[in-house]
Amino acid sequence: EDQVTQSPEALRLQEGESSSLNCSYTVSGLRGLFWYRQDPGKGPEFLFTLYSAGEEKEKERLKATLTKKESFLHITAPKPEDSATYLCACLFGSARQLTFGSGTQLTVLP
Amino acid sequence: GAGVSQTPSNKVTEKGKYVELRCDPISGHTALYWYRQSLGQGPEFLIYFQGTGAADDSGLPNDRFFAVRPEGSVSTLKIQRTERGDSAVYLCASSESNTGELFFGEGSRLTVL
Repeated sequence: EDQVTQSPEALRLQEGESSSLNCSYTVSGLRGLFWYRQDPGKGPEFLFTLYSAGEEKEKERLKATLTKKESFLHITAPKPEDSATYLCACLFGSARQLTFGSGTQLTVLP
Repeated sequence: GAGVSQTPSNKVTEKGKYVELRCDPISGHTALYWYRQSLGQGPEFLIYFQGTGAADDSGLPNDRFFAVRPEGSVSTLKIQRTERGDSAVYLCASSESNTGELFFGEGSRLTVL
């Protein structure tokens, strides 16, 4: 069964304390792995797409990487405004829709 | 409008009632998706439209749920005989093509008492 699993469920960091969020997947025929950010009461906002193992994408303090089994979202020197839920999603096989993980709720304390 | 618009933002109804949720996608986006999100969970796929037709409705949980997009733009998600378990945030998203880069609305929060 195709699955997308994110860990940890929740993460609290001090401002400036770098860390990583994990997204592991067991899907057949991965066509793309996506990271979204979701603020409370809002819809998810697209961050990155990764297509193949070894690929990396960066945006400000965020860097996403992909291997054959998992993806990491690295957060360098986070700020309180980075606090949000980060969702990972996969597009696989012939499916037209994304399969989402449950998300990691990140809190960055000032 | 610049983004995906969903109405109502909040809906409280009683068990057994009928509900309609509306989605106005970004102009020119041919693909439209409905997802459902429960507290602490990721979005769960319901239905996907390409143009006017439902290309994939495999995520609809049962025949109480139905969605339309008659002119290839605005879509309406319809829920008959609502149950307490239908309570969730219903998210609509659109995209230019089937790339996985979706633009989401802010959602419609449905509460069934």
